[in-house]
Amino acid sequence: GAGVSQTPSNKVTEKGKYVELRCDPISGHTALYWYRQSLGQGPEFLIYFQGTGAADDSGLPNDRFFAVRPEGSVSTLKIQRTERGDSAVYLCASSLVAQGGGNNEQFFGPGTRLTVL
Amino acid sequence: AQKVTQAQTEISVVEKEDVTLDCVYETRDTTYYLFWYKQPPSGELVFLIRRNSFDEQNEISGRYSWNFQKSTSSFNFTITASQVVDSAVYFCALSGSGNTGKLIFGQGTTLQVKP
Repeated sequence: GAGVSQTPSNKVTEKGKYVELRCDPISGHTALYWYRQSLGQGPEFLIYFQGTGAADDSGLPNDRFFAVRPEGSVSTLKIQRTERGDSAVYLCASSLVAQGGGNNEQFFGPGTRLTVL
Repeated sequence: AQKVTQAQTEISVVEKEDVTLDCVYETRDTTYYLFWYKQPPSGELVFLIRRNSFDEQNEISGRYSWNFQKSTSSFNFTITASQVVDSAVYFCALSGSGNTGKLIFGQGTTLQVKP
């Protein structure tokens, strides 16, 4: 079956612009995660969805970042008034279910490389 | 607070050598999960293993083996007879019991296997 897909693969934008990054999880996976990976670092958690609701958004750096998952499948990460420091690879992952303990492996997409000029 | 430390930033070995990647974690949870992921040059994270805190049995999968020791809060990864295709960045990650399954990653160890 298809894995997690993310579009676009690359996005170059100018400081101050608005961007949307899309994630298509594996079919049937109810849990969806967004992470951000800066150069030379490990991925950092941003937000987690269980179904349609954001169950944990504690990793979002500020209110310029927002994510939705209206139908419990595709998710969109939205960044307003982009800054150069937002440049990173944004990774999406999905898993079958995230019960207490996180005992299911997450399957990662290829990421979207965002460059803010 | 939860934390994962991978003290080795880069390791370089010659093909067929054995290599061990270290991972030390911190958590107050009594139930937690540990993971290893591989990130090849293509960039996509590939799941390697998951281990829960109640299972300290070491695991072997082909040339890969993992040593989990709760007493030292370590979950080390050994590649036996390394190959050039093993060259990648390897991440250790932690997921606690009271949260939502989110992963706390270490900084990663870049492994270069030379022919």
